[in-house]
Formats: sequence, C-alpha cells, structure tokens
Amino acid sequence: GESVGLHLPTLSVQEGDNSIINCAYSNSASDYFIWYKQESGKGPQFIIDIRSNMDKRQGQRVTVLLNKTVKHLSLQIAATQPGDSAVYFCAENRLSGTYKYIFGTGTRLKVLA
Amino acid sequence: NAGVTQTPKFRVLKTGQSMTLLCAQDMNHEYMYWYRQDPGMGLRLIHYSVGEGTTAKGEVPDGYNVSRLKKQNFLLGLESAAPSQTSVYFCASSYGVQPQHFGDGTRLSIL
Repeated sequence: GESVGLHLPTLSVQEGDNSIINCAYSNSASDYFIWYKQESGKGPQFIIDIRSNMDKRQGQRVTVLLNKTVKHLSLQIAATQPGDSAVYFCAENRLSGTYKYIFGTGTRLKVLA
Repeated sequence: NAGVTQTPKFRVLKTGQSMTLLCAQDMNHEYMYWYRQDPGMGLRLIHYSVGEGTTAKGEVPDGYNVSRLKKQNFLLGLESAAPSQTSVYFCASSYGVQPQHFGDGTRLSIL
C-alpha cells in the first residue's frame, strides 16, 4: 500500500510524454530481468522481461533496455497515461533457471494531467 | 479467473498472538512463494514451495512457518507475532521459473 512507497524516488511526467525508469543491478552473473508495476494497494504485476543475451525488448508501449557493461536496466513507457501511475521495480534472477530473484525498491511514477 | 487470492486483506494483532495467512491460486502452478514488503526495501522471500507437500526457507524465514498440503494453497503462519513482523505480505505463484503472479497482499500490523 501507500506506506511501502513513502521513501521511494519519484518521477513526475506529463501525460502523453515518454517515461524512463532506471534500475541498477548488482550481480554481473544475473541473466534474466523482469519489470513489475505495482499500483497502490495491489500486488506487483508483470510488465516485461529480458534475458541477458538481448539488449532491447519491446512490448506494447513499453521497452526494456539492458546495458550489461554498466549493469543497468531501464524501462521506457511511451505516451504515458494516467493509468501508468504506479511504483515500478525491477527484479534480477541471480541463479540462472531458478526462482531466486532480487527485487529492487522501486520508483514511483506520477503522471500529471 | 481469480489468479492468486490472499486472505485476509488486513489484520491487526497483538504481540504474541498467532495467525495464519491464506493463499490460493487457480492456475495449477507448482511453485508458490511468500514475500514480505517493507518501506525502503525490495520484496524479500520468506518461504517457498516447489510442489505439494514441499516447503523450503527463503531469505528471511525466522518467525514464520508454512504448509503446502494442497497444490493450490500455501499457508503462512506466525506462531508468536512480533512488532518486527509488521509488514505487507505477498503470496505469488509461478509455472516453474517463469515470472511470478502475485496476490494483492495482506497488510499486517503487530502492536
């Protein structure tokens, strides 16, 4: 709920603009990454994933970029809409082929009308 | 198409009380998980299960127990609640190592 997101970094974006949310991961051996969206009072919802053998993957209005050199992941949301307002966080899979994920703390996206 | 359902949604306990959080999934997933989510921290794995009748410890298992008597259900128990267990608890399930599907959480306060 709201109490979980009190100390999160916030990105404010005008409706219709593009949003870029960043995530730094720590383990160079991580080979699978997921972006989740979490709306207030709801559970995390899968948005898009990418494997380490890719640099870019596109979905519907979303693109994930992976830079393995600097261990950086980004989520781009095109034409941001009010319904995109939420907390976004990344997850890295540190043990290939297992369920063990490390979850980031997240970024709050606020869409301004 | 319920997905992952958690009950209750909210609960307030006194220190030392016990309770069980319930999780049910209707996707026939083998894997189920319990996480806690605290301010300023990412989701942390408490316990998980890779199939009916099996459970294992995650990152922060102390003070919790779990049971998976049926494939669709995963129960999280607090035997003697402590204020440090105040958190939002999420249950998730997955097909193998595919991305996990989450419930909407149980907000638990321990006074």
